[in-house]
Amino acid sequence: QVQLVQSGAEVKKPGASVKVSCKASGYRFTTYYMHFVRQAPGQGLEWMGFINPSDGSTTYAQKFQGRVIMTRDTSTSTVYMEVRSLRSEDTAIYYCARDHHGSSGDYFPFLYWGQGTLVTVST
Amino acid sequence: QSALTQPASVSGSLGQSITISCTGTSSDVGSYDLVSWYQQHPGKAPKVMVYEVNRRPSGVSNRFSGSKSGNTASLTISGLQAEDEADYYCCLYVGNRVFGGGTKLTVL
Repeated sequence: QVQLVQSGAEVKKPGASVKVSCKASGYRFTTYYMHFVRQAPGQGLEWMGFINPSDGSTTYAQKFQGRVIMTRDTSTSTVYMEVRSLRSEDTAIYYCARDHHGSSGDYFPFLYWGQGTLVTVST
Repeated sequence: QSALTQPASVSGSLGQSITISCTGTSSDVGSYDLVSWYQQHPGKAPKVMVYEVNRRPSGVSNRFSGSKSGNTASLTISGLQAEDEADYYCCLYVGNRVFGGGTKLTVL
């Protein structure tokens, strides 16, 4: 079965960087894009972008361009999401998520989710 | 793409039906049937309930249904149950993705 297992909680100071990992299992890693979604405390879901694990190409939401970098390691089936120049507003739970592609052709977004990684930015 | 607009909260009594709206523009929601809905309980990851406006993934109760009219997509939950109390988000998935602001459903 598809599993996405994320790295543990982080506490960072403003201006620092954080790197969240998402290890995939139960399917062929390079076949499906991996997305990242974040959720600030008490707030809604915010899509950040995705990476194509096959070739490492990325697409970021405009808000995060220049400050977020997504990479992958195909040898360990792991995707990484780094946020640079952290500020207090980046305090959030960060999720990796994958779409569903059924054998009968059905497709829909965000069926599979990691457990979330809490990133706290504080002095 | 701008965030989609949802009401901050809705409420309904056990057994009743409620509808949550998700409003975009003629360029996004109005032009594509690629709208999905997610249910999120506190401390949990979201769960997809509806996709392509009105299709349900396997295992999702038929009490959940979706529709669209013009620039507004809607999620209807019939026969409200206590466990339906949660936050609900719509999402447009045309190329990039964009979520609605979320709606808190209270079951009275």
